[in-house]
Amino acid sequence: EIVLTQSPATLSLSPGERATLSCRASQSVSSYLAWYQQKPGQAPRLLIYDASNRATGIPVRFSGSGSGTDFTLTISSLEPEDFAVYYCQQRSNPFTFGPGTKVDIK
Amino acid sequence: EVQLVETGGGLIQPGGSLRLSCAASGFTVNSNYMSWVRQTPGKGLEWVSVIYSGGATYYADSVKGRFTISRDNSKNTLYLQMSSLRAEDTAVYYCVRDYFAFDIWGQGTMVTVSS
Repeated sequence: EIVLTQSPATLSLSPGERATLSCRASQSVSSYLAWYQQKPGQAPRLLIYDASNRATGIPVRFSGSGSGTDFTLTISSLEPEDFAVYYCQQRSNPFTFGPGTKVDIK
Repeated sequence: EVQLVETGGGLIQPGGSLRLSCAASGFTVNSNYMSWVRQTPGKGLEWVSVIYSGGATYYADSVKGRFTISRDNSKNTLYLQMSSLRAEDTAVYYCVRDYFAFDIWGQGTMVTVSS
C-alpha cells in the first residue's frame, strides 16, 4: 500500500497570500495523483487530477505540479472560500489518501 | 444534473448487517468506475471498495470478506452490503464516481456501529 504524507498539517495564512501544500508518496505514483478540498459538513470536491489538470469549474488560482513521489498544490492568492482542508490521493489500487492539510485564517 | 444520493445509514449493533444504496442521476453507473469511500474523524478518508465498468470488484483489506459492492443497472444504483460490522466501521460513507479521479461525490450517509 502506498502511503501519502502531507505537509504542513496546518497552514495559517491571510486572504490574498499564496498557499503551497506538499504531498509525498512512499513510492512512485507517476502522475496519478489528485487533490481534493473539503469544507465542514460537506463532501470532498475534486480540484486537480493527474497531478496538474484542473477539474471542471475549478478556478485558475488552483494549480498542481509534480510527478513520481513529490507533488505540490498551489493556491496563488487565497480567497475567503479557500480556507478548508485539502487532501491528496493516489490512484493505484488500493487507493489511498493523505491525512490532509488544513488551511486556516491567520 | 449529475448527482449521487446515498441512503441506508443508521445505528447498528456490532456483528450486524446494513446495506447502503447510492442512486445516480445524470450518468450511467454501469459505464463508470464507482467506489465507496468512508471518513472518520480519527482516520480521515479511507477508500473502501470499487466496482469497475466491466464488473471486477476490489476491496480494502479492512473490509475484505465482510463488505460486498454491487450495482443494479435497471435502477442505476450502487450498493454496499456490509456484514459483521465492527465499531471501527463507524464513519460517513460516500459513494463516488471515478472518472480520472473521484469527480462526483454523494452527500454521505452516517453509519454508527454501537451497542
